[in-house]
Amino acid sequence: DSGVTQTPKHLITATGQRVTLRCSPRSGDLSVYWYQQSLDQGLQFLIQYYNGEERAKGNILERFSAQQFPDLHSELNLSSLELGDSALYFCASSAGTGPYEQYFGPGTRLTVT
Amino acid sequence: DQQVKQNSPSLSVQEGRISILNCDYTNSMFDYFLWYKKYPAEGPTFLISISSIKDKNEDGRFTVFLNKSAKHLSLHIVPSQPGDSAVYFCAARDLNFGNEKLTFGTGTRLTIIP
Repeated sequence: DSGVTQTPKHLITATGQRVTLRCSPRSGDLSVYWYQQSLDQGLQFLIQYYNGEERAKGNILERFSAQQFPDLHSELNLSSLELGDSALYFCASSAGTGPYEQYFGPGTRLTVT
Repeated sequence: DQQVKQNSPSLSVQEGRISILNCDYTNSMFDYFLWYKKYPAEGPTFLISISSIKDKNEDGRFTVFLNKSAKHLSLHIVPSQPGDSAVYFCAARDLNFGNEKLTFGTGTRLTIIP
């Protein structure tokens, strides 16, 4: 158990809809990262927050947005969903900025039908 | 543009023998490398890491070797155990841009044969 929790575990929704994925980092961790893993792909970095502020952006679509709240939990919002958005979405956390290992949650499997 | 490549999608090794997983990268600005292990229906688990200023890091049965001139790293598992069967991801970080995003390879599925 990494100490990172993600809800929900599974999500099935229709094209055009909007969903919110939630992540609670390990106790004390200030950085939260979101990654997407599509079928047979490696994990693709989406976005990083550090202590409530956006710190780095990867290949995140404009239809996707995220935020980190004062209690350090984070939410990833996916809107106008398309079939190609079906994937595993992982949240990770680390102690701060710098060469800290990232610890991953169990992921949310999103299926868009 | 696949900056971190794991060219072997799968690998089978007898229990007790050495498992060697390989990873190549193209970005010479990467300065920190990590290996993660992933079981089905779980998130990746951190295994071992190495800074670019080192060429070897060892932790129990796991050793990571880094060859900067060849832009190549490898993970050695000795001796291999059935519980090592999992997908292994190589990841790299470029701290020079002031962020900590990890760039992952596509993974190698390791199967340990009893």
